[in-house]
Amino acid sequence: DSGVTQTPKHLITATGQRVTLRCSPRSGDLSVYWYQQSLDQGLQFLIQYYNGEERAKGNILERFSAQQFPDLHSELNLSSLELGDSALYFCASSPPGWGSTGELFFGEGSRLTVL
Amino acid sequence: DQQVKQNSPSLSVQEGRISILNCDYTNSMFDYFLWYKKYPAEGPTFLISISSIKDKNEDGRFTVFLNKSAKHLSLHIVPSQPGDSAVYFCAASEIGDDMRFGAGTRLTVKP
Repeated sequence: DSGVTQTPKHLITATGQRVTLRCSPRSGDLSVYWYQQSLDQGLQFLIQYYNGEERAKGNILERFSAQQFPDLHSELNLSSLELGDSALYFCASSPPGWGSTGELFFGEGSRLTVL
Repeated sequence: DQQVKQNSPSLSVQEGRISILNCDYTNSMFDYFLWYKKYPAEGPTFLISISSIKDKNEDGRFTVFLNKSAKHLSLHIVPSQPGDSAVYFCAASEIGDDMRFGAGTRLTVKP
């Protein structure tokens, strides 16, 4: 158990719909990262938040948005869903100052299926 | 822009032999290089890392080698065990910045 909690674990929805994925980081971690893993693809970095502020942005579509709340949990909003958005979405957190290894702690992921 | 590349999608080795997983990168500013292991239906878990100021880091059966001039790192697993069968992701980051991952290599260790 990494200490990072993601909900829901599985989600099935239709094209054109909107979903929200939720992530609670490890206690004490200020950074939250979102990654997308599509079939046979690596982990694609979407966005990073640090203590409520957007820190870095990767290949995140305009239809997607995220935020980190004062209690440090984060939500990833996916709208106008397309079939190609079907993927595993991982959240990860890291401690302040990164620690000695730069390690990220991952949740178990949310599997989104768009039909 | 794929800054971290794992060119071998899969690797199969016999139990007890050495597994060598390779990774190439393009950004010379990376400070840390990490390997993560991922089992099905689980999130990636940290395996081993190396700072850019070192060329080798060892932890039990796992050793990571870094060749900065070639922008190449590798993970050696000796001896390989069936429980090592998983997808291995290479990752790299600049301190405090986002972490970039390769596409992963699926390792199968045959009994």
